[in-house]
Amino acid sequence: AQSVTQPDIHITVSEGASLELRCNYSYGATPYLFWYVQSPGQGLQLLLKYFSGDTLVQGIKGFEAEFKRSQSSFNLRKPSVHWSDAAEYFCAVGANSGYSTLTFGKGTMLLVSP
Amino acid sequence: EAGVAQSPRYKIIEKRQSVAFWCNPISGHATLYWYQQILGQGPKLLIQFQNNGVVDDSQLPKDRFSAERLKGVDSTLKIQPAKLEDSAVYLCASSLSGSSLRGYTFGSGTRLTVV
Repeated sequence: AQSVTQPDIHITVSEGASLELRCNYSYGATPYLFWYVQSPGQGLQLLLKYFSGDTLVQGIKGFEAEFKRSQSSFNLRKPSVHWSDAAEYFCAVGANSGYSTLTFGKGTMLLVSP
Repeated sequence: EAGVAQSPRYKIIEKRQSVAFWCNPISGHATLYWYQQILGQGPKLLIQFQNNGVVDDSQLPKDRFSAERLKGVDSTLKIQPAKLEDSAVYLCASSLSGSSLRGYTFGSGTRLTVV
């Protein structure tokens, strides 16, 4: 069975500083990987996804993530955080065979300080 | 392209009452998913349909939850009777096919409060 671990429940970053949110997954083969963002009271917005190919994936809002098979990781990065980035971020993994669905991590809440 | 439509947006009911949520997926998407997201947690899959057949309902509390997708298009999720712990956001998602996850798109969700 697939699973996702987001080890940080909360992270506080100063505005303008760089950001890295950690995500580790468990899956027997190469997975599909996703990052979503959710603002309070809002739905899930897809930031980026990895299906195959280049392991460095560019997403919306200046985010990127790198798939590292050897570390079973898919960390999310942004070089300069804006106050509007404050939200909850979810990493998700999906199987690349059979009838697949997404398994989500518990999320990381990003707080941005002035 | 129209997104995944869900209604209602919000619902407040008393415990032991029943409630139903509706979802209309993106046109042409064969696979439909219902998730439950409790406050402070990631979404958890309740049920997955491929066309009008159930693929996975292993995490659906079948004593009180039911779901159907009769014509392979829109879907209804029902809770009867509701409990306080059912308070959550219920998210519907759809994808082109269950084997690829391509086009995977979430609706805005229905926020249920059970009092």
